[in-house]
Amino acid sequence: GESVGLHLPTLSVQEGDNSIINCAYSNSASDYFIWYKQESGKGPQFIIDIRSNMDKRQGQRVTVLLNKTVKHLSLQIAATQPGDSAVYFCAEAISSGSARQLTFGSGTQLTVLP
Amino acid sequence: EPEVTQTPSHQVTQMGQEVILRCVPISNHLYFYWYRQILGQKVEFLVSFYNNEISEKSEIFDDQFSVERPDGSNFTLKIRSTKLEDSAMYFCASSDPPNPDRREYFGPGTRLLVL
Repeated sequence: GESVGLHLPTLSVQEGDNSIINCAYSNSASDYFIWYKQESGKGPQFIIDIRSNMDKRQGQRVTVLLNKTVKHLSLQIAATQPGDSAVYFCAEAISSGSARQLTFGSGTQLTVLP
Repeated sequence: EPEVTQTPSHQVTQMGQEVILRCVPISNHLYFYWYRQILGQKVEFLVSFYNNEISEKSEIFDDQFSVERPDGSNFTLKIRSTKLEDSAMYFCASSDPPNPDRREYFGPGTRLLVL
């Protein structure tokens, strides 16, 4: 039978441009947030994380912004490259306790155009 | 960089059969997880495991599922009697003990197809 899945939001950018991917998270008690990259047929790959006591964190070519007031997270990728093409997921968690359960968002498909 | 490995990469099984998915977490990690991703859908938490017992499990992780750490290196997920809706990618993950910089490392996944 036909499988039904979520229709992923898509973002197409020209190579060299900056990309901004947005995510709304659900749990106001979450205090840890992560962005993952997933290429076709592979597992989620860590990009960058941020804790709730921060509103911005920078990595190599990536920046994560956290707005707790509106429960919004964004990932900015500078000078987007073809290798950045993938599905990007945000995830949230509550860090209290030992084993941390991640709740993933639905993902955004990023396509980098030559 | 150390990595989580999973076997097999693909598994095809008949409905009602038992399957065991295997994972080798990163060697000094103490927390182990299984997640699944049905085609085109979100990655979903199944279970976390620490100190030889389940820490948390989701509603998906019913009596048909079990996890085990049979030795010092492997971490397995067993589905006793597979259903069509168990078809998904299953990801194993592991993480350090709680510390400010800990993160979860995911394996490449096992694609399970139940016919």
